[in-house]
Amino acid sequence: GAVVSQHPSRVICKSGTSVKIECRSLDFQATTMFWYRQFPKQSLMLMATSNEGSKATYEQGVEKDKFLINHASLTLSTLTVTSAHPEDSSFYICSARGPIGAGAGVSTDTQYFGPGTRLTVL
Amino acid sequence: GENVGLHLPTLSVQEGDNSIINCAYSNSASDYFIWYKQESGKGPQFIIDIRSNMDKRQGQRVTVLLNKTVKHLSLQIAATQPGDSAVYFCAEIYTGANSKLTFGKGITLSVRP
Repeated sequence: GAVVSQHPSRVICKSGTSVKIECRSLDFQATTMFWYRQFPKQSLMLMATSNEGSKATYEQGVEKDKFLINHASLTLSTLTVTSAHPEDSSFYICSARGPIGAGAGVSTDTQYFGPGTRLTVL
Repeated sequence: GENVGLHLPTLSVQEGDNSIINCAYSNSASDYFIWYKQESGKGPQFIIDIRSNMDKRQGQRVTVLLNKTVKHLSLQIAATQPGDSAVYFCAEIYTGANSKLTFGKGITLSVRP
């Protein structure tokens, strides 16, 4: 249990376009989802926290108008990178917490991560 | 604590040996700790967790030790295999309202055949 998927796994786009990344909890309902960004050989940097049905909470320095987050259901959160530029190229990873229905042995405090999305902006 | 911008240290071990990966956490109020394994190009994978009311927890080939006095966490991997090569992150959290994980800087484990 507690499987998280992301789509697409890899995307290449032109500068100025917008890109949407989906994060889904496949076998459980996630009360909270998180979006991270990771540069090569570095740790994960939290961008925002989203709770189903409410506005996302962004970390300091993260532009909420540039990184739009929607958490419309307990199994789906989306991150839209608007007017992407080359400096937005990165590895974006989502995670989900609060695995309602995931079964025994799965902690509600643990975050389970998706496989990541590699964004390249030309 | 946060270590964005720093390159990851590397631990090199011989296949079959035991590995010990160490982590210093920052918040004395943290009450839940997780070790993640991240392979190249993939998302972090949950390995093992431990709560602050314990000082040791064992899984399959892995053991996590917690020393709250010095805010130190370690991950021991028995009989290290080539498939264990990855970046390992410790993460801490205070499980109160609006809690969120804080990741350590990460350590690259390289297994020599």
